[in-house]
Amino acid sequence: DAGVIQSPRHEVTEMGQEVTLRCKPISGHDYLFWYRQTMMRGLELLIYFNNNVPIDDSGMPEDRFSAKMPNASFSTLKIQPSEPRDSAVYFCASSLWSKRDYGYTFGSGTRLTVV
Amino acid sequence: AQTVTQSQPEMSVQEAETVTLSCTYDTSESDYYLFWYKQPPSRQMILVIRQEAYKQQNATENRFSVNFQKAAKSFSLKISDSQLGDAAMYFCAYRASSGTYKYIFGTGTRLKVLA
Repeated sequence: DAGVIQSPRHEVTEMGQEVTLRCKPISGHDYLFWYRQTMMRGLELLIYFNNNVPIDDSGMPEDRFSAKMPNASFSTLKIQPSEPRDSAVYFCASSLWSKRDYGYTFGSGTRLTVV
Repeated sequence: AQTVTQSQPEMSVQEAETVTLSCTYDTSESDYYLFWYKQPPSRQMILVIRQEAYKQQNATENRFSVNFQKAAKSFSLKISDSQLGDAAMYFCAYRASSGTYKYIFGTGTRLKVLA
């Protein structure tokens, strides 16, 4: 298994532009999570899905952020319009409910820089 | 609300020596899971070890072991025979056994291994 795949690995964009981050979870996993990592706030859960349905989006910072999971093998996190304070590393992670007590599998993250 | 605190932003250890990373947490739950994740410079979050709160026996994984003190709400990670490859950020994480599937992460401890 290739693990959780995120793209792009790095993204540099100008303030005001739309940014789309992509994630392919491990095949068969029924949970998908989006986290944001910054020096100031550490790892924050933004949203998570179960069987493609958003379960908890209370961590999404504001309406500029949106996430979708159109099918079991793909999810996107979109920021529109982007701002410099959105600069962070964004992680996607997936898990199987039956293995929920054994931790997530994380992707390698997307480092987003908004200038 | 549950919180996870890592009070050591940075630690250093000589190669082959032993080091202990601290983690405390706050919860009103009686059943939960605790984890240590390693994040090397590659950014990949890797599960190191997990502990089930209802088990009194401390978890061990090769050179990694934990000291779980439930009453004190303490969950420290001991790395024995430290190796250069152990250099990384280490995150402590908590998950309640029921209800939300959210993991709460500490702010991390950067471990340096000196040759």
